[in-house]
Amino acid sequence: GENVEQHPSTLSVQEGDSAVIKCTYSDSASNYFPWYKQELGKRPQLIIDIRSNVGEKKDQRIAVTLNKTAKHFSLHITETQPEDSAVYFCASRGAGSYQLTFGKGTKLSVIP
Amino acid sequence: EAQVTQNPRYLITVTGKKLTVTCSQNMNHEYMSWYRQDPGLGLRQIYYSMNVEVTDKGDVPEGYKVSRKEKRNFPLILESPSPNQTSLYFCASSPWTSGETQYFGPGTRLLVL
Repeated sequence: GENVEQHPSTLSVQEGDSAVIKCTYSDSASNYFPWYKQELGKRPQLIIDIRSNVGEKKDQRIAVTLNKTAKHFSLHITETQPEDSAVYFCASRGAGSYQLTFGKGTKLSVIP
Repeated sequence: EAQVTQNPRYLITVTGKKLTVTCSQNMNHEYMSWYRQDPGLGLRQIYYSMNVEVTDKGDVPEGYKVSRKEKRNFPLILESPSPNQTSLYFCASSPWTSGETQYFGPGTRLLVL
């Protein structure tokens, strides 16, 4: 089955700096890659997603890039703010699958 | 208000005592799913359903059962809970049978003694 590796597991940045979280996946035919944000004690919430026919997608301060050749995708957060502090999860869906496989998460801390 | 609800939110039980965690969505979503979240392991899918009466195993289905008799409900059943099923459980739903754009419920924290 699909395997997703997420790095780093923890990340601390100064407020205003950028943060980058990277995930690699094993199934070269995977076609859907969402990112979820989970604040402490809350449920995961979808913040952005990308499909395999697109190389990059942006939504205000967040962006996701996909490199199908290298089988990795990354979340970029610019101008970080304290409210960006949370655990971020990447996920992927294999071709012909209805199942999401998640990475183990990255705890992002934005230091004021 | 469009939402996914789970009950109970917190549950303490003993080994072997059957329990059911309910999940309901009022968004007419096709797809529903159950995940468990454990420290250091992220979210792992237990079961999912693409439509009424259609369910399939995720990555960690052992010890769990599900049913999808109605579109809005997707209960998770633990026939004989064991301590290794102590976890935080999330139900999720999606408007697409493919499972894209999943909305998560508030979570159920289960402790099995």
